[in-house]
Amino acid sequence: DAKTTQPTSMDCAEGRAANLPCNHSTISGNEYVYWYRQIHSQGPQYIIHGLKNNETNEMASLIITEDRKSSTLILPHATLRDTAVYYCIVRAGGAAGNKLTFGGGTRVLVKP
Amino acid sequence: EPEVTQTPSHQVTQMGQEVILRCVPISNHLYFYWYRQILGQKVEFLVSFYNNEISEKSEIFDDQFSVERPDGSNFTLKIRSTKLEDSAMYFCASSVGFGEKLFFGSGTQLSVL
Repeated sequence: DAKTTQPTSMDCAEGRAANLPCNHSTISGNEYVYWYRQIHSQGPQYIIHGLKNNETNEMASLIITEDRKSSTLILPHATLRDTAVYYCIVRAGGAAGNKLTFGGGTRVLVKP
Repeated sequence: EPEVTQTPSHQVTQMGQEVILRCVPISNHLYFYWYRQILGQKVEFLVSFYNNEISEKSEIFDDQFSVERPDGSNFTLKIRSTKLEDSAMYFCASSVGFGEKLFFGSGTQLSVL
């Protein structure tokens, strides 16, 4: 699976949008971008995933650049409960794509 | 919303003892996984399981580890002879199919003394 690079930590203000960047410059054509988060040693929680189109669900939006070498997870209105470690994961598609490989993630602190 | 259930939430054992960590995956899911996270470190893949056999395992998953689906609902991880370095949070996960998103349980904190 392609390696990802994320900032180690970031702060954001409650009620504001949180934009979490991820670089995956070696991503290949059949690899998906997944985002998970882990709130204080709980089990990782699925947020969203995409291949090349932008995606939105009730939790977040995922913006993938046209060359697919980077992406941004957007939490539209961050709350204190969004404080967590956010993992950007590139996952192979097809027959190779089952396990998730977690990196260090971005530690996000939402401040009042 | 259906969820992956893990028991116990905390397990303390003596070095050299056998432990069994239990998981009940989401009922219509077909793929099952174990991950672990040593305090302060990354979440690490251990093993995936499908159709009553291991489909993939990591280097961590050596002969001391085994997995089993003893009945239609439970999925277990056994560590035969625990070591101090096995102390970690162990997460079970399941997915409805191959390549589908994984749902994780809340974990079992294993402490080996």
